Amino acid sequence: AQSVSQHNHHVILSEAASLELGCNYSYGGTVNLFWYVQYPGQHLQLLLKYFSGDPLVKGIKGFEAEFIKSKFSFNLRKPSVQWSDTAEYFCAVSATGGATNKLIFGTGTLLAVQP
Amino acid sequence: DTAVSQTPKYLVTQMGNDKSIKCEQNLGHDTMYWYKQDSKKFLKIMFSYNNKELIINETVPNRFSPKSPDKAHLNLHINSLELGDSAVYFCASSQGNQPYNEQFFGPGTRLTVL
Repeated sequence: AQSVSQHNHHVILSEAASLELGCNYSYGGTVNLFWYVQYPGQHLQLLLKYFSGDPLVKGIKGFEAEFIKSKFSFNLRKPSVQWSDTAEYFCAVSATGGATNKLIFGTGTLLAVQP
Repeated sequence: DTAVSQTPKYLVTQMGNDKSIKCEQNLGHDTMYWYKQDSKKFLKIMFSYNNKELIINETVPNRFSPKSPDKAHLNLHINSLELGDSAVYFCASSQGNQPYNEQFFGPGTRLTVL
């Protein structure tokens, strides 16, 4: 069965610090990978996604993520965080070739950026 | 314009009651989903409908019954509510039900069972 692990449950950074949030998945086949963000009191929004091609994908608001197949990882990065990046970040995976679009989510990482 | 909307936003009720949560999307999508987010923020899919047909039914108690009257709506009815049903329920939609189809989420409904 597929699973997603986010090892950082709570991250606190100062503004302008660099960010890297870890995401590892467990699945032997071809996967599609996503990062979603949930700002306080708001719904989930897609930050970026990887389906195929260049393993380094760029998303909205200066975020990027790198798919490393050998490590089953899809870590999220941002070179310089802002206070407005304070939110919960979720990594998710769905399996290519599956009959349905079932997203498996990680447990989330709460990022707090201090001004 | 709200793309995926849910009503109500908050729902507080007693154990044993029956309640419904409604979801509507105006994106013209053909696939809709219900997810449950527990107190630890863990999100898990419950159901998915494609063109009004049930295509995903995770091991959810049969007290939960989704209903899709048309492609734009997916409602969730819960019978005999239990304390463990307290959670935030998110509706989502996508055009197509393939793994690469982006899902758009609603604002969530926070259900509290007393």
